[in-house]
This record gives sequence, structure tokens and C-alpha cells, in this order.
Amino acid sequence: DGGITQSPKYLFRKEGQNVTLSCEQNLNHDAMYWYRQDPGQGLRLIYYSQIVNDFQKGDIAEGYSVSREKKESFPLTVTSAQKNPTAFYLCASSRQGPPYGYTFGSGTRLTVV
Amino acid sequence: KNEVEQSPQNLTAQEGEFITINCSYSVGISALHWLQQHPGGGIVSLFMLSSGKKKHGRLIATINIQEKHSSLHITASHPRDSAVYICAVRLGTGNQFYFGTGTSLTVIP
Repeated sequence: DGGITQSPKYLFRKEGQNVTLSCEQNLNHDAMYWYRQDPGQGLRLIYYSQIVNDFQKGDIAEGYSVSREKKESFPLTVTSAQKNPTAFYLCASSRQGPPYGYTFGSGTRLTVV
Repeated sequence: KNEVEQSPQNLTAQEGEFITINCSYSVGISALHWLQQHPGGGIVSLFMLSSGKKKHGRLIATINIQEKHSSLHITASHPRDSAVYICAVRLGTGNQFYFGTGTSLTVIP
């Protein structure tokens, strides 16, 4: 079955360390996205990629970095520059353009201690 | 800025009740997405709408393009319907969706 796999489900890191969240899809979707979810807030876009080797900043890109070397993979690195990294991170993918919606991964809950 | 507003923010219902969750948006859209998020965090797609009405089991979604409003209805609600329901809109021909803050539904047996 096709889908999106995020790993790990839970991640703990010490303050000041970089950490990379994995997102892999086998849906042959061109577009991939990273969102951050905090309690009481809607999903906020961190980065998105419409095509391999290209990506764009979203609304809250500061302190994060991404790469898109393969169509299937869109890893997100939370750097030490991110001031408040503890959150729930969701990866999504979609085909290009309407009428297609998103397919979501199951998320990674990152806690920085 | 918040292109998408949902109401109510929280909703508690007795099992069997008819439930309505509302979503309003402020700009023209090409599609609206209703999503369900369970306590574990994963999100599943319920409906994609650009006009009219869609039904799947006990779930019904409607959209009124002129009024910039969509509703999600749940008939004969059940405790397993307890989740956060999220509305998201796509503007124009872009790929990106903009999300509401969600409606947290609790159905009590």
C-alpha cells in the first residue's frame, strides 16, 4: 500500500543539538511539505518542495533546513537556531494542482530537553 | 492573517446526536479539505470539495462557494468519532493548503 512514513514517532534531543526528521513517500507525489503543529494553533508551513532539488520556505522556516535529493524523500533538520523546537511535526505530500489533496504522515513528536 | 475560521473550537455531544462543524474562509478558493486528526496525531483525509455536497457513511460535507462556507456533519455520532476535525483551503491553482485551528469533538457514550 502506498503512503507516507515518518520516523521516528517520538524523538528526544538535548538543547543545542541538530536533529533530522525523516519523511518518505511511495505515492509518486511531486510535492512534499513539512508542517509544525502546536497546541491550539493550526498547522503552520515550514518548507515545501514542488520538485526534486527545489524547495521553498514556508511561514516559519527560520531554524529549519530541508533537502529534496530524491522524489521519495524530504528530510527536515531542526537546527540549534530554532528557538522553540518542541512540537509535533507533520509531513504531507500531494500531486500537483487541483483537485488533489494532501496525504499526511503519522507525525513525529519532538521534545527538546 | 487567518484565511480559515472554524467553529466551534470545542464540541461535546452525546452518542447518537447530529453534529455540525463549520468552516468559513475569506478569499476565493479552488478546493476545501476536511481532515480528521485522532489523539495519536496522524491526520486522515475525509473529503475534498470544490462545490456541492459529498457523503461517506455517516459523514456529510457541504460547501457554499458564494457564502465562502463549508459544513461537516456527522449523523448518529459515536464515541469513535471523537477527534479533531480540521478544515483546509487551497487558494487558486497553487498546491498549498491553509489550515484552520481545528474543532475538538468529544462524543460521550
